[in-house]
Amino acid sequence: DAKTTQPTSMDCAEGRAANLPCNHSTISGNEYVYWYRQIHSQGPQYIIHGLKNNETNEMASLIITEDRKSSTLILPHATLRDTAVYYCIVRVGNQGGKLIFGQGTELSVKP
Amino acid sequence: GAVVSQHPSWVICKSGTSVKIECRSLDFQATTMFWYRQFPKQSLMLMATSNEGSKATYEQGVEKDKFLINHASLTLSTLTVTSAHPEDSSFYICSAREWKINQPQHFGDGTRLSIL
Repeated sequence: DAKTTQPTSMDCAEGRAANLPCNHSTISGNEYVYWYRQIHSQGPQYIIHGLKNNETNEMASLIITEDRKSSTLILPHATLRDTAVYYCIVRVGNQGGKLIFGQGTELSVKP
Repeated sequence: GAVVSQHPSWVICKSGTSVKIECRSLDFQATTMFWYRQFPKQSLMLMATSNEGSKATYEQGVEKDKFLINHASLTLSTLTVTSAHPEDSSFYICSAREWKINQPQHFGDGTRLSIL
C-alpha cells in the first residue's frame, strides 16, 4: 500500500473550516483514500473515503486532486470536539486490504 | 452505523497471567477482523489479521504464541495475551469490516491493559 505524508500538527479556530492535507504521490489506480480520526483514549472513527471523485458526508468533505497524488479533508465548521489525530490512509479496495496507520495530523481546535 | 464492541475497556492484572479481550461486530457480519496495539504518544500498529474460520496472519515481529487470536464466528474475535508481562501493557484496539467489497473498517473503543 502507498505511503502518505501529513503535517504533524495544525490549529484551527472554532467555527472555521479545517483543511487537512495529505500527500500520497505513489498511490496506485486501485487504491482508495481513507480518513479516520482518533480522539484521545478512544478507538479510531471512520470519517470518509474516496477513489477519485470528491466525496461528502455528514461529517466532512474529501477533495482528491485529479492526478490523485494528494487529497484534503475538510471539516466545514470545526468544533472543540473535532480536536483529534486525523489519519489519512491509502488502501487497496478489496476484502483483504488492511489499514496501516502513519503518524497522522494532530488537529487542535481552539475557542 | 456499524458498531464494534470491545470488552473489557480496561484491565489490570499481575505479571504472568493471561488476559482475553473480546471484539464483537454488533450489527454486521465481519469476515475479517484486525488487532492493533498502541503505545503512548504513538500511532496504531497492526498486530494481526484474523479471518473467520481460519488461522490469523501475524505481522512481522509479533509473536503468535504470545498473542493468540481466535475468530470462531462472523461476529466475534478474541485476543489472548498469554503470560503477560509489564512490557505488554498497552492500548489494544480491534476493528472489523463487512464482507462487502470496499467497506470501511470500524473500530472498537480499545482495551487498556496494565500488567503489574
